[in-house]
Amino acid sequence: SQTIHQWPATLVQPVGSPLSLECTVEGTSNPNLYWYRQAAGRGLQLLFYSVGIGQISSEVPQNLSASRPQDRQFILSSKKLLLSDSGFYLCAWTSDRNYYGYTFGSGTRLTVV
Amino acid sequence: DAKTTQPPSMDCAEGRAANLPCNHSTISGNEYVYWYRQIHSQGPQYIIHGLKNNETNEMASLIITEDRKSSTLILPHATLRDTAVYYCIAEMDSSYKLIFGSGTRLLVRP
Repeated sequence: SQTIHQWPATLVQPVGSPLSLECTVEGTSNPNLYWYRQAAGRGLQLLFYSVGIGQISSEVPQNLSASRPQDRQFILSSKKLLLSDSGFYLCAWTSDRNYYGYTFGSGTRLTVV
Repeated sequence: DAKTTQPPSMDCAEGRAANLPCNHSTISGNEYVYWYRQIHSQGPQYIIHGLKNNETNEMASLIITEDRKSSTLILPHATLRDTAVYYCIAEMDSSYKLIFGSGTRLLVRP
């Protein structure tokens, strides 16, 4: 079966520290992968998406970057966190959205202090 | 992708049907209508999607008007666990992106 793993579940980081969030998908090949962010009390904002290894599209210019080093691995990074980077980060994937839609991970709640 | 419009909030009684409307008057012929929901502090959950025909699965029914300018998500027997934010999204078949709007906050009352 297809599963998505996202970790850690919660993270508290000081301003100026680096960030690395990882997402992996199992049970499928060549998925489309996505990173979303949800600030407190706000909607879901698409940050990055990838349709293949090494292919990253950015939706919102910001302090973050994404990489896809392997087919089923998607990483969200920052060199120096800002207070405004706090939020709920969600990874998602789809391989055939006309049948299965998009599947979301359980999320990482990041607090920058 | 076409813009969708949803009421910001709705409520219904437990055990009754919840009918959530969505307006997508500028939808094009190759855009699907997707419904997701997000329960507090969780990732969004896929509910159902359709193109032209009405659809039904174990979670809900999707009714799309003949002109495709609006749709309704029906939860036939709402439970307290259905309290969530429901998102209606129009996505082009050729698009690779799922863009969320503000959704409808559904409160199911005991």
